[in-house]
Amino acid sequence: ETGVTQTPRHLVMGMTNKKSLKCEQHLGHNAMYWYKQSAKKPLELMFVYNFKEQTENNSVPSRFSPECPNSSHLFLHLHTLQPEDSALYLCASSQGREAFFGQGTRLTVV
Amino acid sequence: GENVEQHPSTLSVQEGDSAVIKCTYSDSASNYFPWYKQELGKRPQLIIDIRSNVGEKKDQRIAVTLNKTAKHFSLHITETQPEDSAVYFCAASIKGSARQLTFGSGTQLTVLP
Repeated sequence: ETGVTQTPRHLVMGMTNKKSLKCEQHLGHNAMYWYKQSAKKPLELMFVYNFKEQTENNSVPSRFSPECPNSSHLFLHLHTLQPEDSALYLCASSQGREAFFGQGTRLTVV
Repeated sequence: GENVEQHPSTLSVQEGDSAVIKCTYSDSASNYFPWYKQELGKRPQLIIDIRSNVGEKKDQRIAVTLNKTAKHFSLHITETQPEDSAVYFCAASIKGSARQLTFGSGTQLTVLP
């Protein structure tokens, strides 16, 4: 059903750990995004990549590091996170008007 | 930057009644306004959108209206059904596309049978 696949679906990590979230899209889109979804808050745009080039970085702390090796893959590298970083991290891709979202990674920082 | 306010945060209606969700935006340059539906445990999905050159758009039981002067837009769902229960997000974009979408905080709609 989905053209945007995220792994893992759930992740628990300690504050000193380093982990990575992966996103893959099979839709041929040229733009990919990372969003953070916290309870009762708007979806927060974190990063935008267009044709593998980062075009937006919405004041995201450096403990979040994105990587886009090609138009189909997007990573979010995590290190020294804080408990308040616990949230659902959604990847999305687009070619025009519509953003297609992945299922998200539920991240818990302990 | 753009700021999108969405109200109400929760809304309960009886099956068959109508539901209305309202959003306001701050940047008069915004020209694209989509609505996304997120069912419990699922990904957000686009259900309807409107561009700034149109005042109203309908798709079966859902409609969106836009008032550019007042900088607000609304989602209307008629003849609500239990499967309409979900979180609905409005958004605004100045780029006329999915780029740089600013989302509202969401409305949890519950349709009571």
